[in-house]
Amino acid sequence: DVKVTQSSRYLVKRTGEKVFLECVQDMDHENMFWYRQDPGLGLRLIYFSYDVKMKEKGDIPEGYSVSREKKERFSLILESASTNQTSMYLCASSQSGGGTDTQYFGPGTRLTVL
Amino acid sequence: GESVGLHLPTLSVQEGDNSIINCAYSNSASDYFIWYKQESGKGPQFIIDIRSNMDKRQGQRVTVLLNKTVKHLSLQIAATQPGDSAVYFCAENINAGKSTFGDGTTLTVKP
Repeated sequence: DVKVTQSSRYLVKRTGEKVFLECVQDMDHENMFWYRQDPGLGLRLIYFSYDVKMKEKGDIPEGYSVSREKKERFSLILESASTNQTSMYLCASSQSGGGTDTQYFGPGTRLTVL
Repeated sequence: GESVGLHLPTLSVQEGDNSIINCAYSNSASDYFIWYKQESGKGPQFIIDIRSNMDKRQGQRVTVLLNKTVKHLSLQIAATQPGDSAVYFCAENINAGKSTFGDGTTLTVKP
């Protein structure tokens, strides 16, 4: 089974802090994604990556950056956390090619910014 | 613009009944659709998918129907069980690897 793990289930940070959310997948997937999930807004794509050292902006990249130094790891960075970044953050991975594009999700990190 | 939407944010059914969750999409160029299930405290998990060259696909107790004419997708769950209570998302693949998700329908199964 594909396993996607996220470094923390719950995180509490203060406004202005730099926050790192880590995601690791063990299936050698090329594609990795970061979403945030808010009530009534569904899943919104923040950033994604098709390969090592490659990144693309999603629908709501403002206030976030990402890093993909290794194929299995995709990090989401909040340079200066703000209260409106309080949310559930979901990481996902998928395999390129094969035409299926099914995404495998981690359990999520619930971030609270005070 | 691109959007994937679900007709109802919540659905409540009696245990043993069949459930139908609907989804409308707007991009006629989409060629691949996926249904995900998200249980409380977990990330979304794949349930079933369908390609645009099909109009029906069946899995174990689940069936996905695709009507390209009206850009409508539905998920049917037979003999709904308490363990089916979750949030269900449809997703539309427009570009290879990237999905657009609907807002989700919360299914509650009453015993």
